[in-house]
Amino acid sequence: DGGITQSPKYLFRKEGQNVTLSCEQNLNHDAMYWYRQDPGQGLRLIYYSQIVNDFQKGDIAEGYSVSREKKESFPLTVTSAQKNPTAFYLCASSIGQGVTDTQYFGPGTRLTVL
Amino acid sequence: GQNIDQPTEMTATEGAIVQINCTYQTSGFNGLFWYQQHAGEAPTFLSYNVLDGLEEKGRFSSFLSRSKGYSYLLLKELQMKDSASYLCAAMDSNYQLIWGAGTKLIIKP
Repeated sequence: DGGITQSPKYLFRKEGQNVTLSCEQNLNHDAMYWYRQDPGQGLRLIYYSQIVNDFQKGDIAEGYSVSREKKESFPLTVTSAQKNPTAFYLCASSIGQGVTDTQYFGPGTRLTVL
Repeated sequence: GQNIDQPTEMTATEGAIVQINCTYQTSGFNGLFWYQQHAGEAPTFLSYNVLDGLEEKGRFSSFLSRSKGYSYLLLKELQMKDSASYLCAAMDSNYQLIWGAGTKLIIKP
């Protein structure tokens, strides 16, 4: 089955700790994205990557970091510099970026910082 | 600035028809997407419009007017499983999606 996986579904961390959220896809998609979803707001783009070893900041990149060492994987690290990290994090992928391709989403990770 | 507006919440009756509206303002335009999102789950793709007019896909239809910056999602023969949030997203000239906050649709028996 082709798809996007994110793990874990729920994650709890203490304030001041860095945490890494995983995202894997086996759709052979070139482009991958990280979004943050908060109640009452639209999805906000954190980072995106069009190709391996390249990524771009989105609208709210401060306090986050990513890597794209493999086509299938696009992990997101939420650092202690992110002032309000508690949120629902969604990873998505599409065939390419720069064309009107549909983005497909993983199941999401709900991060709670205590 | 770029902006998407859609109603926060709507209520409809099982078996009825409901129309969810979305207006958008973006820097350039490369199409309008609708997604469905059940609580706590991932958004799933419903439709994509780039040309004016109505696209029908089973019980769901989506309409676009580029001149008015307006789209709607029409859901017919509503079922209880249609209770979800419906997200409108417009693609700008940089092929980035600008998302609305979503419309929570409540279906009553």
